[in-house]
Amino acid sequence: DAKTTQPPSMDCAEGRAANLPCNHSTISGNEYVYWYRQIHSQGPQYIIHGLKNNETNEMASLIITEDRKSSTLILPHATLRDTAVYYCIVRIKDGGATNKLIFGTGTLLAVQP
Amino acid sequence: ETGVTQTPRHLVMGMTNKKSLKCEQHLGHNAMYWYKQSAKKPLELMFVYNFKEQTENNSVPSRFSPECPNSSHLFLHLHTLQPEDSALYLCASSQGDGGDTEAFFGQGTRLTVV
Repeated sequence: DAKTTQPPSMDCAEGRAANLPCNHSTISGNEYVYWYRQIHSQGPQYIIHGLKNNETNEMASLIITEDRKSSTLILPHATLRDTAVYYCIVRIKDGGATNKLIFGTGTLLAVQP
Repeated sequence: ETGVTQTPRHLVMGMTNKKSLKCEQHLGHNAMYWYKQSAKKPLELMFVYNFKEQTENNSVPSRFSPECPNSSHLFLHLHTLQPEDSALYLCASSQGDGGDTEAFFGQGTRLTVV
């Protein structure tokens, strides 16, 4: 699976959009971009995933650049409960029988009141 | 609530003790995972089970012994642990058919070895 690079930390004001970047310059054509988050001392939580097109669900939007070498997770209206470590993971969706996830260090998003 | 339940939530054990961590899911998933998260470190994948068969062991010391009696239950048996084994142990499950989109994690067991 391709390696990802994320900033170690970011701040965001409550109510504003949080834009979390991820670089994955070695991504291959059949690898998807997944985002998870981990609120302090809890298990990680799935947020969203995508291949080429931008994706949106009730939690967030995922913007993937045309060359697929980077992506941005957008939380449109951040709340204090969105304070967490956000992980960007690249993996082949059908690369094996299991959804094995390899986590990096992620970005600690601190939402400020 | 993710549908993956881990017990106990907290455990303190001595280096000569034997204890077990339990993970249970009733999501109909066939793949289950153990992860370890030490302080200030990324999650490390330890073991993968698919349809009750162990498919991955990431060079985990033998003092950690997993068991998967059925697709709904996963155990991690612990014996003669070291203080550096103190960590948050997370269990996860997923469909396991290769095309699933997400893994569901339990809340973890916070283990302290004294």
